[in-house]
Amino acid sequence: DQQVKQNSPSLSVQEGRISILNCDYTNSMFDYFLWYKKYPAEGPTFLISISSIKDKNEDGRFTVFLNKSAKHLSLHIVPSQPGDSAVYFCAASDQGGSEKLVFGKGTKLTVNP
Amino acid sequence: DTAVSQTPKYLVTQMGNDKSIKCEQNLGHDTMYWYKQDSKKFLKIMFSYNNKELIINETVPNRFSPKSPDKAHLNLHINSLELGDSAVYFCASSHRLAGGRETQYFGPGTRLLVL
Repeated sequence: DQQVKQNSPSLSVQEGRISILNCDYTNSMFDYFLWYKKYPAEGPTFLISISSIKDKNEDGRFTVFLNKSAKHLSLHIVPSQPGDSAVYFCAASDQGGSEKLVFGKGTKLTVNP
Repeated sequence: DTAVSQTPKYLVTQMGNDKSIKCEQNLGHDTMYWYKQDSKKFLKIMFSYNNKELIINETVPNRFSPKSPDKAHLNLHINSLELGDSAVYFCASSHRLAGGRETQYFGPGTRLLVL
């Protein structure tokens, strides 16, 4: 059973426009959420995170929104750049004492020049 | 000056063989992990060690044995390799603060192909 779901396997946007990547989760014990970015043949790299006590976290062009009641989070990239083209993974963890991350399947973002 | 490094990057081997993958981190972190990304692209945790102690073991076959000689190293030994073990294996590390959360930093991955 997938506890973290990224229902869009791919997304294509024009350079300069907004990219919105979505993520849903089912486990109500999750209280910390992260987005990772992955280029081919490389490991995932951390992008941005949000704790469940917040509903928004911003870092430069990247903003993560959390809607706890809907068990939904989204990553906004504004403006999108060709270098943002990568696979984006949503991940979640709970306060169970370990830092086990549960990952979604990823969304491949393509930003067209 | 790679933060989390893995060797080898690629590993092609025959079914039934035993192989090891090595991981080293120079970030001074006290927690290390092994993840497996299978053909369906799911990234799933296998093991986690904190200060050389096993803290997460996610129902992985006992053919897989992690070994942590020190805080900076977490190796993965796989016995009797099977076709289904073909995947990309990622090592990661993090520094756990009491009551806090830390980011996990990933290595570049080891692409294992079992023939």
